[in-house]
Amino acid sequence: AQTVTQSQPEMSVQEAETVTLSCTYDTSENNYYLFWYKQPPSRQMILVIRQEAYKQQNATENRFSVNFQKAAKSFSLKISDSQLGDTAMYFCAFMKPYSGNTPLVFGKGTRLSVIA
Amino acid sequence: DSGVTQTPKHLITATGQRVTLRCSPRSGDLSVYWYQQSLDQGLQFLIQYYNGEERAKGNILERFSAQQFPDLHSELNLSSLELGDSALYFCASSATGGINQPQHFGDGTRLSIL
Repeated sequence: AQTVTQSQPEMSVQEAETVTLSCTYDTSENNYYLFWYKQPPSRQMILVIRQEAYKQQNATENRFSVNFQKAAKSFSLKISDSQLGDTAMYFCAFMKPYSGNTPLVFGKGTRLSVIA
Repeated sequence: DSGVTQTPKHLITATGQRVTLRCSPRSGDLSVYWYQQSLDQGLQFLIQYYNGEERAKGNILERFSAQQFPDLHSELNLSSLELGDSALYFCASSATGGINQPQHFGDGTRLSIL
């Protein structure tokens, strides 16, 4: 079974600074998908960024980028120019790529606080 | 707005009772997933339906059941409720599959057992 580990329960960053959230996972699969979801105090689950394991290029979405290291099974999220609205729980998630889609396996989350 | 609608937003009930949580997926999405978010267990997958049929089962208790109807909406039934069932229950939906069809989450139903 797949497992996802987020080793930083809480982090804080100054506004406009850069922060990196860590995620490692364990799988025997060769092809899979990885995601970062954001859960603000409003409790919605919002997709931040996604990465396909067979793509070597790291995904980027505006101020969000990932550092995907397949051999190390590491998938970290970098937030540049942090904003107050980035304050949220961040969840790393893994998904196997079968047709009809498959469930997500989530890490325990990292609570990020952006400080003015 | 993710397009996934969950009702009710909040539910307060007592131990031993039964409740039904409802989810309407995004238009055109065939897959519906149910997840439970609790403080001690984090986000855990419960069950998935694809076009009306059960596709995958996770850590779902026998006291819980779900179904997906012909119009693709889904209901999660929780019975003989215990204090430990207090949690945020999310529904998510996706289209056919793959990286370009990610799961979109509803706003959740907060269940409180007194």
